[in-house]
Amino acid sequence: GENVEQHPSTLSVQEGDSAVIKCTYSDSASNYFPWYKQELGKRPQLIIDIRSNVGEKKDQRIAVTLNKTAKHFSLHITETQPEDSAVYFCAASLANEKLTFGTGTRLTIIP
Amino acid sequence: ETGVTQTPRHLVMGMTNKKSLKCEQHLGHNAMYWYKQSAKKPLELMFVYSLEERVENNSVPSRFSPECPNSSHLFLHLHTLQPEDSALYLCASSPTIGLAGIQYFGPGTRLTVL
Repeated sequence: GENVEQHPSTLSVQEGDSAVIKCTYSDSASNYFPWYKQELGKRPQLIIDIRSNVGEKKDQRIAVTLNKTAKHFSLHITETQPEDSAVYFCAASLANEKLTFGTGTRLTIIP
Repeated sequence: ETGVTQTPRHLVMGMTNKKSLKCEQHLGHNAMYWYKQSAKKPLELMFVYSLEERVENNSVPSRFSPECPNSSHLFLHLHTLQPEDSALYLCASSPTIGLAGIQYFGPGTRLTVL
């Protein structure tokens, strides 16, 4: 089955700087890659996703890039703000199949 | 709350107790999921239901028993649990099983087994 690895497990950045979280996947047939944000004590929520037919997607301060050849994808957050502090999970799935999640990255924004 | 709701939010139980977790979705979705979230581990998919039929059971111990009486409700019945079962149990739903990536999560039930 699919295996998703996520790095780093913890990340601290100064407010205003950029943060990058990376994930690799094992199944080259995977074609959907969402990112979820889970604030402390709250539920995971989808923040951005990308499908295998595109290499990059951007939504305001967040962007996701996908390298199908290398089987890795990354989340980029620019101009970080305190409210970006949370645990971020990447995931991968084949069409019509379940999600396989990474282990999560705890992002802390230092004011 | 709207969307996906879960009750109770917190549960403490002994190893000999029997309890149930409840999930309800108000989104008109056809697929529902149970996940286990433990510290420093990925979200672990436990069960998947599509149109009230179980389509996946990820080798979950029989002390966890799901029930899906209709497409809006999902239960997780618990009995003779172990301390290592302590975790956050998340319910999620998606429009159909084919749109599994677009999942909406409930707030979770924080379970502690003594």
